[in-house]
Amino acid sequence: GAGVSQTPSNKVTEKGKYVELRCDPISGHTALYWYRQSLGQGPEFLIYFQGTGAADDSGLPNDRFFAVRPEGSVSTLKIQRTERGDSAVYLCASSLTLGEDSPLHFGNGTRLTVT
Amino acid sequence: DQQVKQNSPSLSVQEGRISILNCDYTNSMFDYFLWYKKYPAEGPTFLISISSIKDKNEDGRFTVFLNKSAKHLSLHIVPSQPGDSAVYFCAASYSSASKIIFGSGTRLSIRP
Repeated sequence: GAGVSQTPSNKVTEKGKYVELRCDPISGHTALYWYRQSLGQGPEFLIYFQGTGAADDSGLPNDRFFAVRPEGSVSTLKIQRTERGDSAVYLCASSLTLGEDSPLHFGNGTRLTVT
Repeated sequence: DQQVKQNSPSLSVQEGRISILNCDYTNSMFDYFLWYKKYPAEGPTFLISISSIKDKNEDGRFTVFLNKSAKHLSLHIVPSQPGDSAVYFCAASYSSASKIIFGSGTRLSIRP
C-alpha cells in the first residue's frame, strides 16, 4: 500500500519568505509526527498530532513554526520568515496509534534550502 | 542536551562478520527503545524495538540488547550483509510522552 507522502521533495526559498510543507500519512493512521534532520544529526522532534489536535508541540523551535492537521489526515508544516538556519530535511511520520506496538513510518522528507 | 547518544559516527565491518552498534541514554524515564535504518534520500525505516521490561529482543539477523543499569543498548547484526550498509539511528521514548527521541546515528559500511 501507499506509504507516507511528502511534497514537495525539494524546496528552495529566499530568506524571509513563507513556506508550507505537506504530509499525507498512511490511510487510517491516527498519529502524525514532524521531525527535522540537519546534516550529520538524527531526526529532531518538532510536533505530533493525535487526530486533529497537536498533542505535543514542545519541539517547535519558535513561533515562526506552526503545523496543522484540520481533518485528522493531511498535515501542513508552515514556516514564516524563513532563516538560513531553517535549512534541513523535514521528515513526516505516521503511526496507526500511539504506543509501543505502533512504530513510526517515515516519508522521504522535504529538503528545504533557504538562500 | 542529548538524551540519546551514539558515540561512534561510523563503523566498518567485513561481510559475514558481526556488526555491533552502541547507544547510550541519559533519561531514566525512557521505557521503550527502537532502532531505525536509513538509506540515502529515504526516510528512516523501523528495524527492531525493545521494552524496558526485557533485556533482549531478537528478529532474524537482528538482536537488540538492553542494559538498564548502564543505560546502554546495542544492536547486533549477524551475519552482516552488503545491504546492511546504511545509517542506523537509536531512539527512545517513555510511555507518558509519545514523542520519540533519536540519536545522531552511526554509518555502517559492510566491506566485501
